[in-house]
Amino acid sequence: GQQVMQIPQYQHVQEGEDFTTYCNSSTTLSNIQWYKQRPGGHPVFLIQLVKSGEVKKQKRLTFQFGEAKKNSSLHITATQTTDVGTYFCAGRSGGGADGLTFGKGTHLIIQP
Amino acid sequence: DGGITQSPKYLFRKEGQNVTLSCEQNLNHDAMYWYRQDPGQGLRLIYYSQIVNDFQKGDIAEGYSVSREKKESFPLTVTSAQKNPTAFYLCASSKTGAYGQPQHFGDGTRLSIL
Repeated sequence: GQQVMQIPQYQHVQEGEDFTTYCNSSTTLSNIQWYKQRPGGHPVFLIQLVKSGEVKKQKRLTFQFGEAKKNSSLHITATQTTDVGTYFCAGRSGGGADGLTFGKGTHLIIQP
Repeated sequence: DGGITQSPKYLFRKEGQNVTLSCEQNLNHDAMYWYRQDPGQGLRLIYYSQIVNDFQKGDIAEGYSVSREKKESFPLTVTSAQKNPTAFYLCASSKTGAYGQPQHFGDGTRLSIL
């Protein structure tokens, strides 16, 4: 079945440094979504990418979808303590309401 | 306020017992999902339903059962056949669409074995 690999598993950064997490799928994806889960909370949707090579920005967050639609990345510029949490990518290779295949997530830990 | 309500927040199961986790949404979403989250793991799909009275198995359906008798409700039963049920269970819902829609999650239920 479809597998979504995400690296790194943990990332420690100093506040103000940049952060990137990478996601790779074993199969071509129809779309990819990114979620953030704060400690003790539930995943919250950040963004969805659909087109090959797509790049989307949300303030300090930049999301990319690879040309082959098999990989994606999330980059945070100048991290803040509010960025702490686990970032998950989630891919879908089938139809619009099929379940998502989640990566294991990257835990972002920020040292003040 | 629209949202997804999961109950209970904490649940304890005895050996050989079935337990049912509740999930209710008032977002008028057609699709609903159940995921299991273990420490250090991502979310794994148990079951999903795109419409009332229909549901599909996800990647780890063994030992679980669901029903979808109403649009608003998608209860999950963890049966005694599930030998390692201790986990954080998350319910989600979404609209349906050609390219997928954001999934909205409930606050989860933590299930433990007594």
